[in-house]
Amino acid sequence: NAGVTQTPKFRVLKTGQSMTLLCAQDMNHEYMYWYRQDPGMGLRLIHYSVGEGTTAKGEVPDGYNVSRLKKQNFLLGLESAAPSQTSVYFCASSSQERVRTGQETQYFGPGTRLLVL
Amino acid sequence: AQKITQTQPGMFVQEKEAVTLDCTYDTSDQSYGLFWYKQPSSGEMIFLIYQGSYDEQNATEGRYSLNFQKARKSANLVISASQLGDSAMYFCAMREFYGNKLVFGAGTILRVKS
Repeated sequence: NAGVTQTPKFRVLKTGQSMTLLCAQDMNHEYMYWYRQDPGMGLRLIHYSVGEGTTAKGEVPDGYNVSRLKKQNFLLGLESAAPSQTSVYFCASSSQERVRTGQETQYFGPGTRLLVL
Repeated sequence: AQKITQTQPGMFVQEKEAVTLDCTYDTSDQSYGLFWYKQPSSGEMIFLIYQGSYDEQNATEGRYSLNFQKARKSANLVISASQLGDSAMYFCAMREFYGNKLVFGAGTILRVKS
């Protein structure tokens, strides 16, 4: 049981390049999330998904796209990277059923450090 | 919109002493959840403790307790008997009901001195 994994761990991009960050979870969770973490600002939600085939915008969605074609995977895409997208990206997941009990936390991946030059 | 405020950018505590990390929140929802996460220098997010808005008692998990004052909209984390391994960034977060989304505060860096 690997939990939540993220690929890659670190990446350097040039401005204008594109890339896809992959998140995978093996806990059969319905909900998945992408956050970015910047110094002094905590984690901010980029996009999220409440189930396979669904996605929704979070607090800071501009410049990013996502897809959830399979329940276990949640992809975050940068079509044209900008230096402002230099950040640490976290993926997370949680169980819809256990959310109903009130105590369900989110399970986080190890993060992807992205540097855009 | 929900908002979390952590007013202490950094805190120092002596080893074996207790420390309180402040968190205030703003929401118009009647039902909500509050979380604390620890982020050590290695970067992973570690869940520490949860408090539901209808929970009558303050949550406790080992050396961690949550001082929940609903009327004041505060959810402070208390760490008892601090250890060197407690040195980390600590985030307070609130759950938005739909989609179980989390709104995070800016965090507090805690340094434990020996």
